[in-house]
Amino acid sequence: GAVVSQHPSWVICKSGTSVKIECRSLDFQATTMFWYRQFPKQSLMLMATSNEGSKATYEQGVEKDKFLINHASLTLSTLTVTSAHPEDSSFYICSAGRAGKAREQYFGPGTRLTVT
Amino acid sequence: SQQGEEDPQALSIQEGENATMNCSYKTSINNLQWYRQNSGRGLVHLILIRSNEREKHSGRLRVTLDTSKKSSSLLITASRAADTASYFCATDEGNSGNTPLVFGKGTRLSVIA
Repeated sequence: GAVVSQHPSWVICKSGTSVKIECRSLDFQATTMFWYRQFPKQSLMLMATSNEGSKATYEQGVEKDKFLINHASLTLSTLTVTSAHPEDSSFYICSAGRAGKAREQYFGPGTRLTVT
Repeated sequence: SQQGEEDPQALSIQEGENATMNCSYKTSINNLQWYRQNSGRGLVHLILIRSNEREKHSGRLRVTLDTSKKSSSLLITASRAADTASYFCATDEGNSGNTPLVFGKGTRLSVIA
């Protein structure tokens, strides 16, 4: 159990367009989901914390109007990169905390975004 | 913010040798986890060690935690070419799945057959 999926696994888009990435907890309810970004040969950096039914909390330096996060249900959070630019090209990974379960988070397989 | 620092940043060894990676962190933690990431892929959870534990084993993996020094080490024994990957430590200050993880910079391990 405790599987998290992401869709799409990779996407190429043109500069100026918007891209939506979905993160789903397949077999459990996730009250909290996290979005991380990873640039090549670097570590994961937390972008935002998403709580079901409320506004996301963004880390310092992450533009909330550019990276729109919606957590409309206990199994789905979406990240929309608006007006994407080449510098937004990165590997985006979500994770989900399992309601009532301590200490563990479950990571999605990641989405590679390339903006041309 | 990133608080973990892995050492070394890159490590190259021969198959069969042991690989040791170290991680230091800055704040108090509830637990520390190690993850593996193959190039361009997602994270694979390896092991979790709680703040009140000093050592933990899982197969060929041995993790130690020294909270007084705010450091942890990951030892992979009898390495294999398939162990080639990046390894990250991650800490959290909370005690539930609702606390984000803070990742170290990672160690890129290359195991040469």
